[in-house]
Amino acid sequence: GQNIDQPTEMTATEGAIVQINCTYQTSGFNGLFWYQQHAGEAPTFLSYNVLDGLEEKGRFSSFLSRSKGYSYLLLKELQMKDSASYLCAVRDEGGSQGNLIFGKGTKLSVKP
Amino acid sequence: DSGVTQTPKHLITATGQRVTLRCSPRSGDLSVYWYQQSLDQGLQFLIQYYNGEERAKGNILERFSAQQFPDLHSELNLSSLELGDSALYFCASSVATGENYGYTFGSGTRLTVV
Repeated sequence: GQNIDQPTEMTATEGAIVQINCTYQTSGFNGLFWYQQHAGEAPTFLSYNVLDGLEEKGRFSSFLSRSKGYSYLLLKELQMKDSASYLCAVRDEGGSQGNLIFGKGTKLSVKP
Repeated sequence: DSGVTQTPKHLITATGQRVTLRCSPRSGDLSVYWYQQSLDQGLQFLIQYYNGEERAKGNILERFSAQQFPDLHSELNLSSLELGDSALYFCASSVATGENYGYTFGSGTRLTVV
């Protein structure tokens, strides 16, 4: 079956660092994506990992371990505007090439 | 503006009715995906089209159907609506399947069934 798990909610302080974890169990794997979604808005693409290791893009970094079925999104120097839901998604090639399976998202609240 | 256009932005309708949601993909994108997002379920994949043909189906109810037209815009038809169909419906597009930068989402249609 398909299962993607992330914490439901997290709280962090402005200027700090936060790590959002994601574990997955899917019938296939062809990449892991992180999206940011502000309430009532469209998800926007943040990062993509297909090989093990860390991908860095400005204040955001994403890590993947395929053998452990694990990823995390690291947000540095948190800003108030980073308050949003962060969605982990896996591209599963098990009969649905190109289709992304999303986790339920982690709602991050950044406090002053 | 992401380049993916969805209309209407809001829709309020009664149970038992039928509605059509429309999506115009980003210029040059051949794949269109439909997702449903409700508060307790997250983003649920409904259906995917690639260059006019159905490519994959997810958790789409039989009361729902979709198509992609020659100009690549897509429509999602929801019929015999129930209260539980109230949700945000997102369309997303990509150049082709298997690419490595994911999808571009439209701003969504918020459907309220009363």
